Amino acid sequence: DQQVKQNSPSLSVQEGRISILNCDYTNSMFDYFLWYKKYPAEGPTFLISISSIKDKNEDGRFTVFLNKSAKHLSLHIVPSQPGDSAVYFCAANPSGGSEKLVFGKGTKLTVNP
Amino acid sequence: DVKVTQSSRYLVKRTGEKVFLECVQDMDHENMFWYRQDPGLGLRLIYFSYDVKMKEKGDIPEGYSVSREKKERFSLILESASTNQTSMYLCASSSEDRYEQYFGPGTRLTVT
Repeated sequence: DQQVKQNSPSLSVQEGRISILNCDYTNSMFDYFLWYKKYPAEGPTFLISISSIKDKNEDGRFTVFLNKSAKHLSLHIVPSQPGDSAVYFCAANPSGGSEKLVFGKGTKLTVNP
Repeated sequence: DVKVTQSSRYLVKRTGEKVFLECVQDMDHENMFWYRQDPGLGLRLIYFSYDVKMKEKGDIPEGYSVSREKKERFSLILESASTNQTSMYLCASSSEDRYEQYFGPGTRLTVT
């Protein structure tokens, strides 16, 4: 039973345009959400996060939006750069003091020059 | 900067061998995790530890065990390696008051 879903396995975008990566979740108890970026043959690196008490968090070119009623979050990258080409994982933390994260299966973003 | 290191980047083992994967973090984090990553399956949690000598099973613990004798070190053990354990293994750590996990570079294990 997949609690965090990234329904698009891949996304291709032109350099300079906006990249929008989507993530849906089923567990309403999730209270913190994170995005990770992963290059081939490297470990994931933390990108940006958002608490369930917020609906938007921005860090430079990266913005995460959270729609709790729809159980949906998205990562916007503006403007997209070729170096952003990577696999992006959405993750969520259940409330109640759990240390664990539940990860989606990832979306491979390709930014074309 | 948080640094998580893993003992090997690439490893090739034979079926039935005992395999040790080591992970060390230098940020005094309480929590440590072992994941495996497979194409189309994302990151799946094998085991995690929230303190020295403490461990909890993740989603796919079968065929694996772990050891945490010191706070900075978390080992993953494959008692008898099988071909279906060929995968990318990722170690991560986090502090007890933050959700962000910091990952090592990964170990690509091939079991032949």
